[in-house]
Amino acid sequence: AQKVTQAQTEISVVEKEDVTLDCVYETRDTTYYLFWYKQPPSGELVFLIRRNSFDEQNEISGRYSWNFQKSTSSFNFTITASQVVDSAVYFCALSDPPSGGSYIPTFGRGTSLIVHP
Amino acid sequence: DTGVSQDPRHKITKRGQNVTFRCDPISEHNRLYWYRQTLGQGPEFLTYFQNEAQLEKSRLLSDRFSAERPKGSFSTLEIQRTEQGDSAMYLCASSPSGAVRYGYTFGSGTRLTVV
Repeated sequence: AQKVTQAQTEISVVEKEDVTLDCVYETRDTTYYLFWYKQPPSGELVFLIRRNSFDEQNEISGRYSWNFQKSTSSFNFTITASQVVDSAVYFCALSDPPSGGSYIPTFGRGTSLIVHP
Repeated sequence: DTGVSQDPRHKITKRGQNVTFRCDPISEHNRLYWYRQTLGQGPEFLTYFQNEAQLEKSRLLSDRFSAERPKGSFSTLEIQRTEQGDSAMYLCASSPSGAVRYGYTFGSGTRLTVV
């Protein structure tokens, strides 16, 4: 069984603050993939990043960075110098191979980020 | 390429009525997924297709739900005898084979309200 926990239901920050969104996952497999998606008020899920279980190198993309730590089963997401446009619900997701071999993502409950001007 | 399109964006229906939603995936994507998202929750997997074959169904997909992808292009999701508990956002996503390497592209969803 796989499970994704996003313990932070809602985070409120003021513009230009840094913010970290936590994601903890559970899986029995050694091969798996982790994702982060952003869901703005329009409703469409926007793909942000994918990580496979064999690549623990942290990644930075502009103001976004991701910290993958297998030892703690965490895949945390940091936004540096937050902006009002970052306000959205952010989902962490896990794909590990079921018996059918299809990697179907399981999503966490999401963290609502509100960035105040 | 306009991405994944879903129609309608919103649907209000009376309890007991049947509803049908449509999803048009990215044209070169052979995999199509349906998810349901209720308020305050993450998307929950319902079913997925590879081309026209429905390969996996969640136990969330009761016998009142049926999905088709007749020609391996667009897909429809029908809910019969709707119940208030069916009120949710229904999301469609598509991907190429080997999707896990590329991520999944989601549509904007169809928001269903059963009154």
